[in-house]
Amino acid sequence: AQSVTQLGSHVSVSEGALVLLRCNYSSSVPPYLFWYVQYPNQGLQLLLKYTTGATLVKGINGFEAEFKKSETSFHLTKPSAHMSDAAEYFCAVSAYNDYKLSFGAGTTVTVRA
Amino acid sequence: DAGVIQSPRHEVTEMGQEVTLRCKPISGHDYLFWYRQTMMRGLELLIYFNNNVPIDDSGMPEDRFSAKMPNASFSTLKIQPSEPRDSAVYFCASRQTGSSYNEQFFGPGTRLTVL
Repeated sequence: AQSVTQLGSHVSVSEGALVLLRCNYSSSVPPYLFWYVQYPNQGLQLLLKYTTGATLVKGINGFEAEFKKSETSFHLTKPSAHMSDAAEYFCAVSAYNDYKLSFGAGTTVTVRA
Repeated sequence: DAGVIQSPRHEVTEMGQEVTLRCKPISGHDYLFWYRQTMMRGLELLIYFNNNVPIDDSGMPEDRFSAKMPNASFSTLKIQPSEPRDSAVYFCASRQTGSSYNEQFFGPGTRLTVL
């Protein structure tokens, strides 16, 4: 079975500051890992994903994440926060041989001017 | 492509009433997923279909919930009778076999309020 833990339900950053959202996963088989973003009153949009290969993954809107197998982590970062980054972010995991996604509890990001 | 389409976007109903949520997946996608999002439980997978056949309904909370997929372009999630604890946002998502490794595309959701 796969599961995800997101550390911190709320993160507040200043505009222009680093955004760091933490995600740790548990999986008995090689995982596929995802970050989704949800803007208010909207569905989830894929930011980036890790499947195989390069462990540093770049996504949309300047976000990137690094897969660290030894730490079972897939933390999401963005060097410089923008007001438009205010949203809820979800980390998700699936097994390479399964079609189900298991989501973390989500982290709400607020950006201060 | 229009993306995953869900209707209605908002539904307010009274306890005991039947509620039907609708979803149209992206054309050509052969997997369809229904999720429920609440503050208490986060995002939960309720059921998913492959080629219109239910594969895993272990997340369906109880017999009051049922889901169907009569064809490749339409699915429904029905709650009968509805209860206040069913209030949540219900998302539909779809994916295509052979696409990017389990990437799922989400609809905008239906916000259900049961009074």
